[in-house]
Amino acid sequence: RKEVEQDPGPFNVPEGATVAFNCTYSNSASQSFFWYRQDCRKEPKLLMSVYSSGNEDGRFTAQLNRASQYISLLIRDSKLSDSATYLCVASPGAQKLVFGQGTRLTINP
Amino acid sequence: SQTIHQWPATLVQPVGSPLSLECTVEGTSNPNLYWYRQAAGRGLQLLFYSVGIGQISSEVPQNLSASRPQDRQFILSSKKLLLSDSGFYLCAWGNALLGEQYFGPGTRLTVT
Repeated sequence: RKEVEQDPGPFNVPEGATVAFNCTYSNSASQSFFWYRQDCRKEPKLLMSVYSSGNEDGRFTAQLNRASQYISLLIRDSKLSDSATYLCVASPGAQKLVFGQGTRLTINP
Repeated sequence: SQTIHQWPATLVQPVGSPLSLECTVEGTSNPNLYWYRQAAGRGLQLLFYSVGIGQISSEVPQNLSASRPQDRQFILSSKKLLLSDSGFYLCAWGNALLGEQYFGPGTRLTVT
């Protein structure tokens, strides 16, 4: 079983739609969680950290459910520029990160 | 602000040739440094990480090695490349307090 699992997609949604990504992690000792965004043939970039109370940054909302070992990312009013692969990340400690395989998102005009 | 550099951006090497990829970080002291590989269509695989000069931890047994000769310099090497070494190599530095990592622009390696 992979330590961080995501639906690989692809997700194809129209511009303006709301899209939700889900992710599960298997290591209950994981303390920190993140979402990264990776454009085609580019490096991953930190999108947002995920706090236990849930957090919002503009159109993006991240939530964490420790009991279910589940992380989510919601994108509202999606834009063409949101097209990318979204990586769910858990940190089991020792300052290492474990990346999911990524979910590819395409926003259609 | 912190900046991370990697070079070269792309590299085509024959099987059996040596490899040296370099990564440098600016704007931070004593960072944790990481080397990842991303094969085509695959997730990120942690190869090596370093918490200080001369301190290297290997995550996956392979024909690659890493060195950290200076605080903000991290080098990935191989004596003889294999076809399976092809991929996108990413260097990252880590924020020890908050846990997130920041990536360099990467080197796309093709072994022919």
